Amino acid sequence: AQRVTQPEKLLSVFKGAPVELKCNYSYSGSPELFWYVQYSRQRLQLLLRHISRESIKGFTADLNKGETSFHLKKPFAQEEDSAMYYCALSAGTDKLIFGTGTRLQVFP
Amino acid sequence: DAGITQSPRHKVTETGTPVTLRCHQTENHRYMYWYRQDPGHGLRLIHYSYGVKDTDKGEVSDGYSVSRSKTEDFLLTLESATSSQTSVYFCAISESHKGTAANEQYFGPGTRLTVT
Repeated sequence: AQRVTQPEKLLSVFKGAPVELKCNYSYSGSPELFWYVQYSRQRLQLLLRHISRESIKGFTADLNKGETSFHLKKPFAQEEDSAMYYCALSAGTDKLIFGTGTRLQVFP
Repeated sequence: DAGITQSPRHKVTETGTPVTLRCHQTENHRYMYWYRQDPGHGLRLIHYSYGVKDTDKGEVSDGYSVSRSKTEDFLLTLESATSSQTSVYFCAISESHKGTAANEQYFGPGTRLTVT
C-alpha cells in the first residue's frame, strides 16, 4: 500500500540551528514527492517538489529511492519557518497521499 | 493565492442535521478535491472530482457525498452530521500536466465545522 510517514509530530529548534524534517514513503513505482507548508492561519501551499530540484526559502529536499525518503532540510532555521509541514506522495494517479504532518517550532 | 474560495468558513451544527460545504474556483482547473484535516491524521482525502459529474471516493468517504454540476463548484454534503465529522475541511484544485507540474494542488482557506 502507498503510504507516507512523518515520524515526528513536533520538531523544536533554536533560530540558526539546522533543521531536518523526515519523510519516508512506501511505493514500488516511480514516486513524485512534494512538501507542503501551512503557516499559522493560512492555507496550505506548495513548498517544493522533487522533480524541480529547487531550493525554496532555503529549504531543500532530495529524493533517496534506496532509503525511500524525501527529507526536508534547511541549514539555518528562522523564526518565520515555524509552521506545519506535510510531505505528500503522488503514486501514479491524480491523487496525493499526505503524511500526518510535522509542526516545526523555531525559538528565538 | 489561486482563485479558490470556501463557504461557509465556520459552521456549528447539531448532530443529525444535513450540512453542505461549497468550494468555488475561478481557475477552470479540471480536478477538485475535498480533504479533512485532523490532529494526528494529517490530511485525508474524502472525495475528488476529475470533471463535471465525474467523482470518486477517497480514503474517508463514509458519511459524505459530493456533487459537481459545473466546473467551478464542488459541493461536499454531510447527510446527517455526527460529532466525528467535526474537523477542518479543505478544498483543493489541480490541473494535472503529466511530466511537468503534475499533481500540484492549490488549497482553499478551509472550513471549520463543529458538530455538537
